[in-house]
Amino acid sequence: NAGVMQNPRHLVRRRGQEARLRCSPMKGHSHVYWYRQLPEEGLKFMVYLQKENIIDESGMPKERFSAEFPKEGPSILRIQQVVRGDSAAYFCASSPGTPGDTEAFFGQGTRLTVV
Amino acid sequence: DAKTTQPTSMDCAEGRAANLPCNHSTISGNEYVYWYRQIHSQGPQYIIHGLKNNETNEMASLIITEDRKSSTLILPHATLRDTAVYYCIVRKNSGYALNFGKGTSLLVTP
Repeated sequence: NAGVMQNPRHLVRRRGQEARLRCSPMKGHSHVYWYRQLPEEGLKFMVYLQKENIIDESGMPKERFSAEFPKEGPSILRIQQVVRGDSAAYFCASSPGTPGDTEAFFGQGTRLTVV
Repeated sequence: DAKTTQPTSMDCAEGRAANLPCNHSTISGNEYVYWYRQIHSQGPQYIIHGLKNNETNEMASLIITEDRKSSTLILPHATLRDTAVYYCIVRKNSGYALNFGKGTSLLVTP
């Protein structure tokens, strides 16, 4: 049973370009979470999605960031017009069923570098 | 979710038990204590969680005080591969977001 798969592992973008980060949850998991980790800091929650629905995006910056989890295919975190401050590690996690007394499993992350 | 307090860093000799403390004095009755760790440059790894009772799995043991205001994660026989940042997180049963603070940086030495 493969774990949470994220790609690419490393992504370099010039300022103003778009970044697309992909996350395939573990088999049977329908809940996906995105977190961002700035250098030397802990992970910060960004968004929680279920299939085709955004449940909570309270941690997402209001502009340039969007997320989706379509019926078919991976979850996508999209950052438009990237700036240097977007450089960070972005982690995706998934969990089965209803949140609560269950753990989330994390991918290995995508390290975004904006030059 | 309740706030947690952990020491910034700890050392442990290889083969000895590593005891990582966590204070969560404002924890409420429906909040669980979760432990994750992050080995350098990797994604966080779930270790263990509990509500009231002590818990044990193949990785670690979790000891929660009777008043639930603090807990201790125990790695019974630390190895060099256990060197990581360990996060103690309190989360409501109905919650989903994990609030990763600064954690404790554990260094296991030969």
